[in-house]
Amino acid sequence: DAKTTQPPSMDCAEGRAANLPCNHSTISGNEYVYWYRQIHSQGPQYIIHGLKNNETNEMASLIITEDRKSSTLILPHATLRDTAVYYCIVRVQNSGGSNYKLTFGKGTLLTVNP
Amino acid sequence: NAGVMQNPRHLVRRRGQEARLRCSPMKGHSHVYWYRQLPEEGLKFMVYLQKENIIDESGMPKERFSAEFPKEGPSILRIQQVVRGDSAAYFCASSTGTGLTEQYFGPGTRLTVT
Repeated sequence: DAKTTQPPSMDCAEGRAANLPCNHSTISGNEYVYWYRQIHSQGPQYIIHGLKNNETNEMASLIITEDRKSSTLILPHATLRDTAVYYCIVRVQNSGGSNYKLTFGKGTLLTVNP
Repeated sequence: NAGVMQNPRHLVRRRGQEARLRCSPMKGHSHVYWYRQLPEEGLKFMVYLQKENIIDESGMPKERFSAEFPKEGPSILRIQQVVRGDSAAYFCASSTGTGLTEQYFGPGTRLTVT
């Protein structure tokens, strides 16, 4: 799987948009970008995933650059409960491989301030 | 629909004792994954099981650790003769299928070895 790089920490004001970047410059054509988050002392929570196109769901938006070498997770109106470690994970689309293994790096600690 | 359940949430064991961690997957999920999170680190894959079968245990330490997912009942992660280095949070996830199917995580069991 491609390696990802994320800033170790970010701050955001409550009510503002939080934009979390992820670099995955070695991503290959059949690899998806997934985002999970882990609120303190809880299990990871799936947020969103995408391949090429931008994606949006009730939690967040995912913007993937045209060359797919980086992506940004956007929380449009951050709340205090969004304070968590956010993980960007690349997973290969390969039914014969071990793409069920989620590889978590250190992630980005997002702190939403009042 | 109840989520993934893990018990106990906190477990304290003395060195040399056995630890048994239980995971009940979400209803309808027949695939279970165990991950370990050491302090200040990301989650690391340990083992993937389906009912009565171990599919991939490549992340499990070779000694003292075992896992099962019987036909009836929860999945069990068993650690024999625990040592201080086993102190960690152990998370279980479940899914309806393999590959890129979404994994839903439980709240984790925090094991402390004294």
